[in-house]
Order: sequence, then C-alpha cells, then structure tokens
Amino acid sequence: QQPVQSPQAVILREGEDAVINCSSSKALYSVHWYRQKHGEAPVFLMILLKGGEQKGHEKISASFNEKKQQSSLYLTASQLSYSGTYFCGTLSGGGADGLTFGKGTHLIIQP
Amino acid sequence: DAGVIQSPRHEVTEMGQEVTLRCKPISGHDYLFWYRQTMMRGLELLIYFNNNVPIDDSGMPEDRFSAKMPNASFSTLKIQPSEPRDSAVYFCASSGQLYNEQFFGPGTRLTVL
Repeated sequence: QQPVQSPQAVILREGEDAVINCSSSKALYSVHWYRQKHGEAPVFLMILLKGGEQKGHEKISASFNEKKQQSSLYLTASQLSYSGTYFCGTLSGGGADGLTFGKGTHLIIQP
Repeated sequence: DAGVIQSPRHEVTEMGQEVTLRCKPISGHDYLFWYRQTMMRGLELLIYFNNNVPIDDSGMPEDRFSAKMPNASFSTLKIQPSEPRDSAVYFCASSGQLYNEQFFGPGTRLTVL
C-alpha cells in the first residue's frame, strides 16, 4: 500500500525550513528518501532502518517513528538547489517486496 | 563507473507495436529494479531482480509486460502490444543490497500514439 506524504507542495524562501512527512498503514522495516528534479532521475538522500540505523548524506536530517510507521525529512536553511520533488519509499519487514513510493512532495525554493 | 545506463532515452511508437527497453546496471550490483513514472500514479515498482532472478513482479500491470535479466549486466523490459496508456517514463535502478541506496538510470520516455 502506497505511503502518504504531506504536504503535497511547499513554497519557501531561501533560508527557511521545511518538514516533509511520510506515513504508512503497514509495519515498516525501512524508509527511503529520494529527491527528483524536473526531467531527471530520482537521487538518493537517506535510508532510515528499524532499530535506528541511518545511511545517507550528512547534510540531510530525518526521523523514523517505528511505532507510528511515520518518517519526517527536515530541510533546514533551504537553498535554491533543494527545489524538486521529494519521495519517500517504504519497505515492510519480513517480505521480499520492493520499495513502494509515495506520490511526492513538490518543494519550490524562491530567492 | 558510468552509472546505470538505459536505452533508448526516448521512444515513440504506435499502438500495437512491440517496445523493448534496455538497462545496464552498475557493475557489482546484485539488485535491479524497473519503475514506471506517470503524473497520475507516481513512481511505481514494476519488478525487481536479485542475482538475475525475478523476485517480485507484482507490479507488472498485465501480461503485455515482461522483463528478463539474462546476465548480471543486462536487463530488458518488453511491452507487447503497446497501448497509449503505457506512455510514461520508465526507470531502471540498481543497488548492492535491497536496503541500500538505489542508483537510477536517466530513464526512457515512452510515448505510444
């Protein structure tokens, strides 16, 4: 089942902060975050695993609440380069299912 | 490494024709994924392979779609016959582990007239 992302779209001024949320109705093993710029392929940002392990880029901050099956991506002091569509993908534990992506959050950073 | 390579980058075809999309994963990656992206449905996993073996094909829309991975460096996604609703961007991605970062190819933009 597809995770739900919120908000659907955000417009920020450069330097402002944003939080993007991802929630699932299924028990999760991991949450994966990707960013996609228009006309390009998705690019990896971070993986958060059940148990607290995280893999990703140092400048990206995120959290994973295993009990609530929710994850949040924190973008602080936003830069113009942060613009794009952010996707969360979820993996449920114990099975062989691949990633299920949410519909994305569109982020626009204005100067 | 050149990254994940996909061909063609653009494909325009007529309804009923066979379409074959190709992917070369990053060398050493054991997992290969095929995704389809549309405005309406977003980014959907179609099928993924582990060590050339299909593991989860539950996302393949119907029998018109088939995917193969004859060796560790090559995979194809075939649509036969193609329909206008198949128009989308098809991405191939690879990773070293299922729970690791996936590297996406540039995608193939398919238009079925």
